[in-house]
Amino acid sequence: DAKTTQPPSMDCAEGRAANLPCNHSTISGNEYVYWYRQIHSQGPQYIIHGLKNNETNEMASLIITEDRKSSTLILPHATLRDTAVYYCIVRGEYGNKLVFGAGTILRVKS
Amino acid sequence: DTGVSQNPRHKITKRGQNVTFRCDPISEHNRLYWYRQTLGQGPEFLTYFQNEAQLEKSRLLSDRFSAERPKGSFSTLEIQRTEQGDSAMYLCASSPRGPNTEAFFGQGTRLTVV
Repeated sequence: DAKTTQPPSMDCAEGRAANLPCNHSTISGNEYVYWYRQIHSQGPQYIIHGLKNNETNEMASLIITEDRKSSTLILPHATLRDTAVYYCIVRGEYGNKLVFGAGTILRVKS
Repeated sequence: DTGVSQNPRHKITKRGQNVTFRCDPISEHNRLYWYRQTLGQGPEFLTYFQNEAQLEKSRLLSDRFSAERPKGSFSTLEIQRTEQGDSAMYLCASSPRGPNTEAFFGQGTRLTVV
């Protein structure tokens, strides 16, 4: 599975959009981009995943560049409860394990 | 509650003792994963089951660690002769069969070895 690079931390004002970047320059054609988050002392929570088209669900939007070498997770209206570590993971279509990096600590501030 | 369930939530044990953790996956999820997480780090993969078959084990899983999933439903993770370095959060996840499926995690078991 390809490696990912994320900034170690980011701040966001409450009510504003949080845009979390992820680089995955070695991604291959059949690998998906997954996003999880982990709130303190809880297990990781699935957010969204995509292959090449932009995806949106009730939690977030995922924007994948045309060359698929990077992506951005967008939380449209961040709240204090969105403060967490966000992990960007690349995984094959039939991949089994998720390989977590260090993630990005997102701090939402009032 | 239909989520992944892990027991116990917390365990304190003395060095050298054996401990066992249990994971109950989401019903009908045939894939089950164990991870370990230490403070400030992302979860590290330990092992993976498809039904009752253990298909992958990390090099992190030393001889003191053993995992089972005897009937393809719940799973246990045993650590023998615990060491202080085993102190961590142990996470279990499950996912349904098929490609491109998301994994759902439990709340974890926090182990402290004193």
